[in-house]
Amino acid sequence: DVKVTQSSRYLVKRTGEKVFLECVQDMDHENMFWYRQDPGLGLRLIYFSYDVKMKEKGDIPEGYSVSREKKERFSLILESASTNQTSMYLCASRSSLRGIYGYTFGSGTRLTVV
Amino acid sequence: GESVGLHLPTLSVQEGDNSIINCAYSNSASDYFIWYKQESGKGPQFIIDIRSNMDKRQGQRVTVLLNKTVKHLSLQIAATQPGDSAVYFCAENIGNSGYSTLTFGKGTMLLVSP
Repeated sequence: DVKVTQSSRYLVKRTGEKVFLECVQDMDHENMFWYRQDPGLGLRLIYFSYDVKMKEKGDIPEGYSVSREKKERFSLILESASTNQTSMYLCASRSSLRGIYGYTFGSGTRLTVV
Repeated sequence: GESVGLHLPTLSVQEGDNSIINCAYSNSASDYFIWYKQESGKGPQFIIDIRSNMDKRQGQRVTVLLNKTVKHLSLQIAATQPGDSAVYFCAENIGNSGYSTLTFGKGTMLLVSP
C-alpha cells in the first residue's frame, strides 16, 4: 500500500515562529499536495507540486511556501506562523500516470499557533 | 481542538439501515469523481470512484451514482455499520492526470447508532 507519512500528528508553535511540516511518500509518486482543513470550509489547496523542484500555488498560498528537493518529500513552510494558521494540514500524493486521479492522504498534522 | 465534523450536514441512521449521502458538484467539465471517508483523527481514505462516462459503479456495500444532467453525485452505503461513522467527502477532477487537482466538497457527517 502507498504510504504518505506526515512527520508530526500534533504541533504547538508560537506566533512568529518559522514552522516546517514534512511529508514523505514511498511510492515514487510525481504529484504531491498540501491542503488545510477547517470546520465549515472543507479542504482547501495551499500548494502542489507536479514533480521534483516544481511547485504551483493553490487556492490559499498566502503565508506559506513549499520545498520539493527530492521526489519523495514535500515540505510546507510557514514563514512566520500566525494564529489564523491554526488548522489541520493534510498532505497527499498521486501518480501522474494518465487516468490516475485519486490522492492518497497522510494522517494529518494538527497545528496550533499560540 | 475543534473537530472537522462541526458545522457539517449530518445524517443519522440506525445500524443496518441503508445510507445515502449526496453531493452537488460545480463544474460540468469534471471528468472523474471520488468519494473519501475520513474518520476522526485520520486523513481521508479512498472509498470509490466513477468516471464521467458512467452512471453507476458498485463496490463492496457501496454504490456511487452520477447524474450529470443536474451535476449530482450520491454515495449509497448498504447495511450501515457503526464503523461507517465518519465524514464523507466527494471530490471532482478536471483535466488530464498529472496536471489537475481535486476539488472537494465540504463533507457530510454520518452517524450510525447501534
